[in-house]
Amino acid sequence: DQQVKQNSPSLSVQEGRISILNCDYTNSMFDYFLWYKKYPAEGPTFLISISSIKDKNEDGRFTVFLNKSAKHLSLHIVPSQPGDSAVYFCAAPGGGYQKVTFGTGTKLQVIP
Amino acid sequence: EPEVTQTPSHQVTQMGQEVILRCVPISNHLYFYWYRQILGQKVEFLVSFYNNEISEKSEIFDDQFSVERPDGSNFTLKIRSTKLEDSAMYFCASANGVSYEQYFGPGTRLTVT
Repeated sequence: DQQVKQNSPSLSVQEGRISILNCDYTNSMFDYFLWYKKYPAEGPTFLISISSIKDKNEDGRFTVFLNKSAKHLSLHIVPSQPGDSAVYFCAAPGGGYQKVTFGTGTKLQVIP
Repeated sequence: EPEVTQTPSHQVTQMGQEVILRCVPISNHLYFYWYRQILGQKVEFLVSFYNNEISEKSEIFDDQFSVERPDGSNFTLKIRSTKLEDSAMYFCASANGVSYEQYFGPGTRLTVT
């Protein structure tokens, strides 16, 4: 079941530069998307979301872009900071507050 | 800020034993979930719970698993007869039913020997 895919298992970025994390999905019924950040030995922390009626949502240094026709979304972090180093998961909830389907995650390393 | 809590943080058990993992969801949330993450793999959905009953479960959630909300604050996951392959991080999550965001606890690391 690969309904949500993150094809880059890892990414390294210099501090202060932009980090771009990508996610593709196959289920066209998904109408809401979530990004979670996870540190080792901790639970996923909700970061930012986007509804399919929008193509962009911004929260401080974090911006999520959604391209519905391409079934693609991306998370931009600008500027990247060492504390951003974590695994980032793209996720999509099913209808009616049911399960969230997670991608495989991208491990971001921000180099000071 | 309200948060989901889980106990214990680490549980070691022998194969065949029963374990109960405990969670206290955020107090005004209505939807409750269990997920697990086997080392090196993705976070997988196990079960969702609403209005005192299971609303959805995955194929992983077989007869060995059960969930319960014994009182107004706790939410538990029971594994009746643990197997080696049940070793994983188990995460509890809750949602308020207004937005789709699910808020996760810190997890319980279950080690089955």
